Formats: sequence, C-alpha cells, structure tokens
Amino acid sequence: NAGVTQTPKFQVLKTGQSMTLQCAQDMNHEYMSWYRQDPGMGLRLIHYSVGAGITDQGEVPNGYNVSRSTTEDFPLRLLSAAPSQTSVYFCASSPDSYQPQHFGDGTRLSIL
Amino acid sequence: KQEVTQIPAALSVPEGENLVLNCSFTDSAIYNLQWFRQDPGKGLTSLLLIQSSQREQTSGRLNASLDKSSGRSTLYIAASQPGDSATYLCAVRPGGYSTLTFGKGTMLLVSP
Repeated sequence: NAGVTQTPKFQVLKTGQSMTLQCAQDMNHEYMSWYRQDPGMGLRLIHYSVGAGITDQGEVPNGYNVSRSTTEDFPLRLLSAAPSQTSVYFCASSPDSYQPQHFGDGTRLSIL
Repeated sequence: KQEVTQIPAALSVPEGENLVLNCSFTDSAIYNLQWFRQDPGKGLTSLLLIQSSQREQTSGRLNASLDKSSGRSTLYIAASQPGDSATYLCAVRPGGYSTLTFGKGTMLLVSP
C-alpha cells in the first residue's frame, strides 16, 4: 500500500494563478481532510469529506475549493493564489472517526 | 470551540532521561486523542491513538495516558534517545466530527 500520496511535493506560484493539489489514498478510507501548517499556528483544517460526493468546510476554507468524486481522490484547488496561502499543505485519511488518521508527506507551496 | 494546548513548547534533555509531554483540551466531549511525531520538513507519523473510553496506550518506549474528565493527556517517553528528537503533536477528535483539532506541538531535542 502506498498510503496517502500528495503531489506535487513543492510548488511556486505567482499571485493570481490557480492550481490543484492532488491527494490520493489506496486504503479505501471514507474520511479525508486537508490541513495547512503555518509557523506558530499549528495545523488548521481547510476542508474535509466523509465520503464520495460529500464535502464540508473546516476552520480556514476561504480561497480553497474541493470535490470528492471518488473514494480515492480528494483534490484541493486554489482559485486565485495569494501570498497568505504560502504554507505546507497536508492531506489525511481514516476509515472512520475511531481509527487513526494517516497523513501524506505534504506539499510545500510558495506564492510570490 | 475546542482548543488544544501543549506544554512545554520546546524541551531539551540529555540522552537517557525519561520525559513527559503534556496536552490539554478544553472540551471533554471527544471521540479519541492521537499523538503524532513530525520530523523537520516531513509529514506526520501517528504514534498512539487513545479512545475516549481508554485510560492509556503503550507502544515500545512510549506511553500515552488520557484523563478525559480533566481534559488532559500525557506522552511519556522512556530512556530518550537522540533519534527521538522531533516535534510531537497532540490532536483530539471532537465528538461528532471526522477531523482533528491540533495543538501547536512540543519540539524535543535529545542530546547525545
């Protein structure tokens, strides 16, 4: 099993550009989440999904969009990149609320 | 709103010491609590998961305890080694939610 795979690992964007951060898991997990990690702020929830076709907002959803068309994939879209979105982004998955969350290795994103 | 606090923010110890990392949370209505390890520039590795009905979990030199009524958890590391140097994160899964609320972490340095 590959676990949770995030691509790309690094990305530099210019302000106003759009892009999609990919997240895929091969464990047949229903629950998937996106977090961002910033110095001094810890990890904060952006969006999450409890199954294909079901998504909801987390603590810091503005500027981000998600969809969940399959169990395996949960892409995060930046609609119009801003310097404040410079961060490390982590995707996580779990089978249900009682099992551990598994994290990907992260995507390091810089917005110039 | 659930808030998670980790004390101390940083800790430096000589090799061989036993140490305790602390985590507190404001709302005791949780499903479970998870401890993670994060190495610099890397993703999160799950160490231990304690369900709300459990008092403690052990894995090798690690022991995590949970006192849900007082909103506290501790991670005990026995006979610390330089390879234990990392940031340790505590996260709670609030009741009824599928995601985690994180503390800001304790940065541990174990010197040879």
